[in-house]
Amino acid sequence: DSGVTQTPKHLITATGQRVTLRCSPRSGDLSVYWYQQSLDQGLQFLIQYYNGEERAKGNILERFSAQQFPDLHSELNLSSLELGDSALYFCASSPGTGFTDTQYFGPGTRLTVL
Amino acid sequence: GQQVMQIPQYQHVQEGEDFTTYCNSSTTLSNIQWYKQRPGGHPVFLIQLVKSGEVKKQKRLTFQFGEAKKNSSLHITATQTTDVGTYFCASYNNDMRFGAGTRLTVKP
Repeated sequence: DSGVTQTPKHLITATGQRVTLRCSPRSGDLSVYWYQQSLDQGLQFLIQYYNGEERAKGNILERFSAQQFPDLHSELNLSSLELGDSALYFCASSPGTGFTDTQYFGPGTRLTVL
Repeated sequence: GQQVMQIPQYQHVQEGEDFTTYCNSSTTLSNIQWYKQRPGGHPVFLIQLVKSGEVKKQKRLTFQFGEAKKNSSLHITATQTTDVGTYFCASYNNDMRFGAGTRLTVKP
């Protein structure tokens, strides 16, 4: 158990819909990272927040957005969902600002778009 | 940005055999990280290498970063069934890029 929690574990929705994935980092960690893992694209970094501010951006689509709240939990919003958005979405957390820190991954949210 | 190519895609070994996965880049990498993901699990950080020619060991696992910092390898000596999973390399600069992973299966 990494100490990172993600909800929900599974999510099934339809194309065109909008969903919100939630992540609570390990106690004391200020950075939250979001990743997408799919069979065809592999593991892809989406975005990082540090203490409420966006820190780094990866291959995140414009239909996706994220935020980190004052209590440090983070939400990833996915809208206008397409079949290709079906994937495992992982959240990770670390104490500091950058990728040099060890990242602790949560168990993931499996999103299925029908 | 930095891209890392990882080979092989799959490796099936008999328990007790050795295993190696390789990551290569056409550009110089400032760092390399290795992760393990068990089937149905999440990635778990193993190690980070930043120096040219660096070698680090964790029990039966040996990690190397090439002299030119364009390649890296993870070697497992005498595999065990607990080594089963997918091993990823990754490198970061302004963002994080992962290799495609090597899926290791071990036959007891």
